[in-house]
Amino acid sequence: AQKVTQAQTEISVVEKEDVTLDCVYETRDTTYYLFWYKQPPSGELVFLIRRNSFDEQNEISGRYSWNFQKSTSSFNFTITASQVVDSAVYFCALRSKGEPNAGGTSYGKLTFGQGTILTVHP
Amino acid sequence: NAGVTQTPKFQVLKTGQSMTLQCAQDMNHNSMYWYRQDPGMGLRLIYYSASEGTTDKGEVPNGYNVSRLNKREFSLRLESAAPSQTSVYFCASRGDRGLVYFGPGTRLLVL
Repeated sequence: AQKVTQAQTEISVVEKEDVTLDCVYETRDTTYYLFWYKQPPSGELVFLIRRNSFDEQNEISGRYSWNFQKSTSSFNFTITASQVVDSAVYFCALRSKGEPNAGGTSYGKLTFGQGTILTVHP
Repeated sequence: NAGVTQTPKFQVLKTGQSMTLQCAQDMNHNSMYWYRQDPGMGLRLIYYSASEGTTDKGEVPNGYNVSRLNKREFSLRLESAAPSQTSVYFCASRGDRGLVYFGPGTRLLVL
């Protein structure tokens, strides 16, 4: 079974502060993918990043950065110099490669963490 | 290219009523999913379909049925709605490269 834990339920920061959202995962698979999604107040789910289990290189995209550490099964997300528009719920997710079904298709379920509510105050 | 579309956007039902949530994707994806989102629970998988003609139960399938009508469409049916099914429902599809695309969600209130 696979599991994703986002221990921080809610985080509140003041604009321009840096904030890190934690994500810890469990899986028995050696091949898997990790994701972060953002859900702004409007409700849609916005894809932020995908990482595969063979690539532990950290990634930076503008004010966003991700720290993937296989040794601790963590995939943490940092927002630098936070802005009010960053206020949203952030979800970490894990997808294993999956087992082929009878038809030979590998599907791999996508498992989400509980989400972290980030509020950035002006 | 509309991506993943869902209808309706919002629905109010009385306990015991039935309804079908519609989902369609125009990206030629094989895999499609239905999730429900509840406070503090993240998104939980209800059913998924690895390809046209196949469906499998996810984490919370009780009270729901699905139909993969064709490659584009994957509907979710509540035969007898219960207040516990009040939630936001997301449909998603997954491309060959593994990226998952979500629909805008359907807010369902069961009274």
